[in-house]
Amino acid sequence: EAQVTQNPRYLITVTGKKLTVTCSQNMNHEYMSWYRQDPGLGLRQIYYSMNVEVTDKGDVPEGYKVSRKEKRNFPLILESPSPNQTSLYFCASSRGWVNTEAFFGQGTRLTVV
Amino acid sequence: ILNVEQSPQSLHVQEGDSTNFTCSFPSSNFYALHWYRWETAKSPEALFVMTLNGDEKKKGRISATLNTKEGYSYLYIKGSQPEDSATYLCASGNSGGYQKVTFGTGTKLQVIP
Repeated sequence: EAQVTQNPRYLITVTGKKLTVTCSQNMNHEYMSWYRQDPGLGLRQIYYSMNVEVTDKGDVPEGYKVSRKEKRNFPLILESPSPNQTSLYFCASSRGWVNTEAFFGQGTRLTVV
Repeated sequence: ILNVEQSPQSLHVQEGDSTNFTCSFPSSNFYALHWYRWETAKSPEALFVMTLNGDEKKKGRISATLNTKEGYSYLYIKGSQPEDSATYLCASGNSGGYQKVTFGTGTKLQVIP
């Protein structure tokens, strides 16, 4: 089954404790991205990757890092989480860039206390 | 950051009623317009991706139109059913510097049985 898998689904952590949210897709998609969803705001892009070893900042990259060492995986790293990073995070992948549909993971609800 | 606006923010309709929502987006450097359906506690799922001015797409009781010159798209739901209750997101794909997709804040539809 074609899917994007994120882990964990829920996470509560403390300020400053490094964490990684994993994302994996089995569709051989080249394009992957991370979004955050906050109340009253649309999905905002954090980082995106056009292919292995090619990543770039989206609209709200501060406080986040990513890597793309393999085509299927695109982890999101919070080196020193802060409460303003409490949010719902989605990973997405697509065959192409803006003119193909995106497939979303199940979401990760992160709370930083 | 491009402005993608959706209206209304939310609406309630009776089962069997038809309804429609609007997505407006910048027409400059337009590349593609996406519609997604997002049910509570699930991940967004693609409905349509449209690229051509005048494009119309249909999936069951749901259809969408696109006007790239004036920068708007309509989503129509005919004979709404309770299972149509969801948030409907639109996203505009533009090519300015790099190709990216910008999401609106969504229209939350509640269909009352």
